[in-house]
Amino acid sequence: DSGVTQTPKHLITATGQRVTLRCSPRSGDLSVYWYQQSLDQGLQFLIQYYNGEERAKGNILERFSAQQFPDLHSELNLSSLELGDSALYFCASSVAHRGNEQFFGPGTRLTVL
Amino acid sequence: GENVEQHPSTLSVQEGDSAVIKCTYSDSASNYFPWYKQELGKRPQLIIDIRSNVGEKKDQRIAVTLNKTAKHFSLHITETQPEDSAVYFCAASANSGGSNYKLTFGKGTLLTVNP
Repeated sequence: DSGVTQTPKHLITATGQRVTLRCSPRSGDLSVYWYQQSLDQGLQFLIQYYNGEERAKGNILERFSAQQFPDLHSELNLSSLELGDSALYFCASSVAHRGNEQFFGPGTRLTVL
Repeated sequence: GENVEQHPSTLSVQEGDSAVIKCTYSDSASNYFPWYKQELGKRPQLIIDIRSNVGEKKDQRIAVTLNKTAKHFSLHITETQPEDSAVYFCAASANSGGSNYKLTFGKGTLLTVNP
């Protein structure tokens, strides 16, 4: 167990819908990273938050957004869902000032029908 | 941006043999290179990492080597066991400022250890 929690574990929804994925980092970690894992694209960095502020964006679609709250948990919002958004979504956390080690949560498997 | 290439994509070995997975990176600013093991349907687990000021690091049966000049790094697993079977990912990270340590991953290597 990495100490990073994610909910829900599984999510099945229809095209055009909107969903919210939740992540709680390890105690003491200030950074949260979101990654998307699909069969054809592998593990892709989406976005990073550090202590409540957005720090970096990767291959994140405009239909996707995220935020980090004062208690440091983070939410990833996916809207106008398409079949191709079906994937595993992981969040990872790290203590930025102590280096780069990132610890991954169990992931949320999103299926868009 | 950073690009990480990983080879081979699949690797099959006999139990007790060694396995080697190789990665190359493109960004000379990258200074942190972790390796993750992922079992089917589970989260990536950090198994070993190396920083650019070190050439080699070992942890029991697992070792990682880094050649900064050639921009490549490798994972070595000795005395492989069936429970080593999984997908292994290499990654590279550079601090581009503002506490950003995003990881760029290779495509992964499916390692199968045959009993």
